[in-house]
Amino acid sequence: QVQLVESGGGVVQPGRSLRLSCAASGFTFSYYGMHWVRQAPGKGLEWVAFIWYDGRQKFYADSVRGRFSISRDNSRNTLYLQMDSLRAEDTAVYYCARGNFDNAGTLDLWGQGTLVTVSS
Amino acid sequence: DIQLTQSPSFLSASVGDRVTITCRASQGIASNLAWYQQKPGKAPKLLIYAASTLQSGVPSRFSGSRSEAEFTLTISSLQPEDFATYYCQQLNTYPSLTFGGGTKVEIK
Repeated sequence: QVQLVESGGGVVQPGRSLRLSCAASGFTFSYYGMHWVRQAPGKGLEWVAFIWYDGRQKFYADSVRGRFSISRDNSRNTLYLQMDSLRAEDTAVYYCARGNFDNAGTLDLWGQGTLVTVSS
Repeated sequence: DIQLTQSPSFLSASVGDRVTITCRASQGIASNLAWYQQKPGKAPKLLIYAASTLQSGVPSRFSGSRSEAEFTLTISSLQPEDFATYYCQQLNTYPSLTFGGGTKVEIK
């Protein structure tokens, strides 16, 4: 079925790195722009990053620019988020989300999320 | 930066009630707004896009409207499965996106 499945979350010390993955299935992944959105415990949603359908353009929130890197492998139907220099305030559930085909700013399919905890 | 202010942040309602949630943008965003529903421990789900277009599969008791920079999500008759937190999101500054603070709908 049509779905997104995140993985790679866990507990990591401040300053260390982590890479999240998002496996897509049930649709033509290479046609869609993809986002990462996060949600700190008990808080609202925060957009993190976006990548074009072909990976040529990438965009970041100010809070993660220079530390996080979004990428994709269309041959593997997988989206990635490389997170470096992690901080306590990066603790959150990270969701990957598909941008709508006609308007990629609308998020029409979400994964179940993966929890990242940054703590010493 | 565009700010989205949702009100109320919390509301208590009964099954069958008509519920209205408001999202006000700090500047004009045309109809570039979506609404999502999130249940505890689950991912958000798209309900409405382009301010008033119902996403496929979403019950018709949900509707959205716009009056200039003020947007409204209405649930015409609240059902038990509708108790959740609702978020608005602007895409006028796409690809950078902004979400409202959320409105939690609880059972009275």
